[in-house]
Amino acid sequence: GAVVSQHPSWVICKSGTSVKIECRSLDFQATTMFWYRQFPKQSLMLMATSNEGSKATYEQGVEKDKFLINHASLTLSTLTVTSAHPEDSSFYICSARGPQASTDTQYFGPGTRLTVL
Amino acid sequence: AQTVTQSQPEMSVQEAETVTLSCTYDTSENNYYLFWYKQPPSRQMILVIRQEAYKQQNATENRFSVNFQKAAKSFSLKISDSQLGDTAMYFCAFFTTSGTYKYIFGTGTRLKVLA
Repeated sequence: GAVVSQHPSWVICKSGTSVKIECRSLDFQATTMFWYRQFPKQSLMLMATSNEGSKATYEQGVEKDKFLINHASLTLSTLTVTSAHPEDSSFYICSARGPQASTDTQYFGPGTRLTVL
Repeated sequence: AQTVTQSQPEMSVQEAETVTLSCTYDTSENNYYLFWYKQPPSRQMILVIRQEAYKQQNATENRFSVNFQKAAKSFSLKISDSQLGDTAMYFCAFFTTSGTYKYIFGTGTRLKVLA
């Protein structure tokens, strides 16, 4: 139980285009989802926290207009990287927690590798 | 603010041997949770073990166990009978129920199991 999926697993796009990444909780309702960014050989950096039906809370230094997060349902959150540039290339990971899964535990998706040319 | 420190950037262990990964944290909270996550080369974060701070008994999951020392704010992970599949990055994480449900991660320890 407590499975989280992400799609796509990897994406290559041209500079200036937008990319959408989906995060789904497959077997539980995720009241809260988290988006992380991970640089090579580094730890996870929290970008934002989203609660179903409300606006995401962004961490300091994260541009909310560049990284649009939508949590429209209890099983789906999306991260849209707008006007992507090469410096946005990274590994993006989502996680979810919810009342039906262990509420103190975050369950992670497999991640999405974004390359911006 | 809470902090999590993993002082061993890299470690190696022979297959079938035992290895201990260190983690210390700082908090003024009394109720919290601690986790070890494993990130293999596939980069999927996998929960290894969790510990509730109010429980004195150390958590155990098969070959994985923790040494939780609340007063010392220490949370080490012991891997027994190491297997090649244990090769991964290991992250220690802290979570408090009185906060905003954000995890605080350590910088990670890269473990390599040698054949």
